[in-house]
Amino acid sequence: GEDVEQSLFLSVREGDSSVINCTYTDSSSTYLYWYKQEPGAGLQLLTYIFSNMDMKQDQRLTVLLNKKDKHLSLRIADTQTGDSAIYFCAENSGGYNKLIFGAGTRLAVHP
Amino acid sequence: EAGVAQSPRYKIIEKRQSVAFWCNPISGHATLYWYQQILGQGPKLLIQFQNNGVVDDSQLPKDRFSAERLKGVDSTLKIQPAKLEDSAVYLCASSLTQLNTEAFFGQGTRLTVV
Repeated sequence: GEDVEQSLFLSVREGDSSVINCTYTDSSSTYLYWYKQEPGAGLQLLTYIFSNMDMKQDQRLTVLLNKKDKHLSLRIADTQTGDSAIYFCAENSGGYNKLIFGAGTRLAVHP
Repeated sequence: EAGVAQSPRYKIIEKRQSVAFWCNPISGHATLYWYQQILGQGPKLLIQFQNNGVVDDSQLPKDRFSAERLKGVDSTLKIQPAKLEDSAVYLCASSLTQLNTEAFFGQGTRLTVV
């Protein structure tokens, strides 16, 4: 069935890189997404990658996709305190943009 | 461009009572989604509309939940009667079409059932 798994917590020092990992099960997913959720706010799309790509870079964000292992990662370079939030990995399923979310990784950035 | 609007932001009700949530999607967006996010979990799709038709309601508990999008714009989600396990944030999202385009989320309605 459809399932997305993430580690629940990550703590990094300000200025270091953060790497958040995700595994998914639906090999037919055409897009994979990273969303950010700050306290009391809705979900904000950070970036996405098409399934035939291996890597996508967008400013401080780098997404790596290993389709064979169904593994997705998000790297945030030069992590800042404003990056503290919950990060959700999601796959689209069923061809109708139905998003299947992981449980989220809480990123804590400390000085 | 205005975002997805939801109301109310917060609601506290007793179990067995009824509650309704309202969503106004981004203008021109044909696809509207309702997600349920239980504390500590990722959002789970309840129902997806394409204009005023239902595309997917496979995870909607139809004995107590209902949703409508009569004119293909605004939508309401109702719970009747509510149970304790319905306590969650209900997120509305919209996208231009149903085909792999970005979904924009509202701030959500936090429901507490006591």
